[in-house]
Amino acid sequence: QKEVEQNSGPLSVPEGAIASLNCTYSDRGSQSFFWYRQYSGKSPELIMSIYSNGDKEDGRFTAQLNKASQYVSLLIRDSQPSDSATYLCAGNAGNNRKLIWGLGTSLAVNP
Amino acid sequence: KAGVTQTPRYLIKTRGQQVTLSCSPISGHRSVSWYQQTPGQGLQFLFEYFSETQRNKGNFPGRFSGRQFSNSRSEMNVSTLELGDSALYLCASSRGALSTNEKLFFGSGTQLSVL
Repeated sequence: QKEVEQNSGPLSVPEGAIASLNCTYSDRGSQSFFWYRQYSGKSPELIMSIYSNGDKEDGRFTAQLNKASQYVSLLIRDSQPSDSATYLCAGNAGNNRKLIWGLGTSLAVNP
Repeated sequence: KAGVTQTPRYLIKTRGQQVTLSCSPISGHRSVSWYQQTPGQGLQFLFEYFSETQRNKGNFPGRFSGRQFSNSRSEMNVSTLELGDSALYLCASSRGALSTNEKLFFGSGTQLSVL
């Protein structure tokens, strides 16, 4: 069973701090990884995608991928209360025909 | 540009009934994939349709089925509903078939409650 695992949280950080969200995966064939944000009662929306080892930055968000250690992380700098949501990590299955999803990490940013 | 549209938004059914959910993808998107989301199991892949063909299927019983029309709109059907089918059903569209780099755009979902 291919899996993507995340700590469910809640992860609580003060406003302005760096929030670090982590995800590990079991399928060594996975090549692409995605971070989706889901507000309560809403549908997921894409935040970041990463395909290569290393860091990828987009505004306050940085995704990190380490294929040797099979983990993906998302850093949110200068966290804002509006970042409070559940963050879903997903990786493509080795056959590239679907995504495997983690259960999500709940983030609470406290003013 | 209109987003992904799912109808209905809420649905209440009783055990044994069947239900049909609808999804209209973003214009120009040819892939529609369906997901079941529950607090305990998270987001689980049901199936993907691309150019009216089911391209891949998740680990769900045959009671769950779907189809896609020539205009890329998709429907999902669940027959003989069980209490455990209560969930948020999400559809997502993408320009191409699910692959390494394809990004998904989700609809608002259909919240199904089975009593």
